[in-house]
Amino acid sequence: AQSVAQPEDQVNVAEGNPLTVKCTYSVSGNPYLFWYVQYPNRGLQFLLKYITGDNLVKGSYGFEAEFNKSQTSFHLKKPSALVSDSALYFCAVSSRAGANNLFFGTGTRLTVIP
Amino acid sequence: GAGVSQTPSNKVTEKGKYVELRCDPISGHTALYWYRQSLGQGPEFLIYFQGTGAADDSGLPNDRFFAVRPEGSVSTLKIQRTERGDSAVYLCASSLGIGGPTGELFFGEGSRLTVL
Repeated sequence: AQSVAQPEDQVNVAEGNPLTVKCTYSVSGNPYLFWYVQYPNRGLQFLLKYITGDNLVKGSYGFEAEFNKSQTSFHLKKPSALVSDSALYFCAVSSRAGANNLFFGTGTRLTVIP
Repeated sequence: GAGVSQTPSNKVTEKGKYVELRCDPISGHTALYWYRQSLGQGPEFLIYFQGTGAADDSGLPNDRFFAVRPEGSVSTLKIQRTERGDSAVYLCASSLGIGGPTGELFFGEGSRLTVL
């Protein structure tokens, strides 16, 4: 079985400050890990993924995430938050055991305060 | 347009009625996925098509739910005898390639279903 935990329903950060949105996962075997963002009245948009290789992956809009196998975490980070980053962020995982679907977390609402 | 298109954007129906939700994926994408997102939850996998066939329908909650993709492009999600618990946003996504979502999924804006 696979699962994803996003322990924070809401994260508030001041504009210009670094932000972190947390994600931990559980999966059999090696994971595929993803971050998606959902802006109001828009569809989910892909931000970045980890499949293999370098533990630090860089994605769209200046976001990055670090895969930590020992802590089974894949936290999303950005060095300097923008008001336009305010949105709902979803972490997702898929196993390498032939699963063809993504298992999503419950989401974290990020609010960047001007 | 170039993105995944879903219709209708909103559907209100009465308990017990039949509903169809349509998804038009990005041209050339062979893989198509249906997800359901209930209020305050993340998207929940329903079914995955590779071409015309349902490669994985393990997420369909019961036999009232069915989906087709007869020509390998447009897909229709069909819900029979709707129940109030079926109320949710139904998301469609498409992607290139086979063998699992190693690439990104491109999502539509969803069809919001409300069952009264």
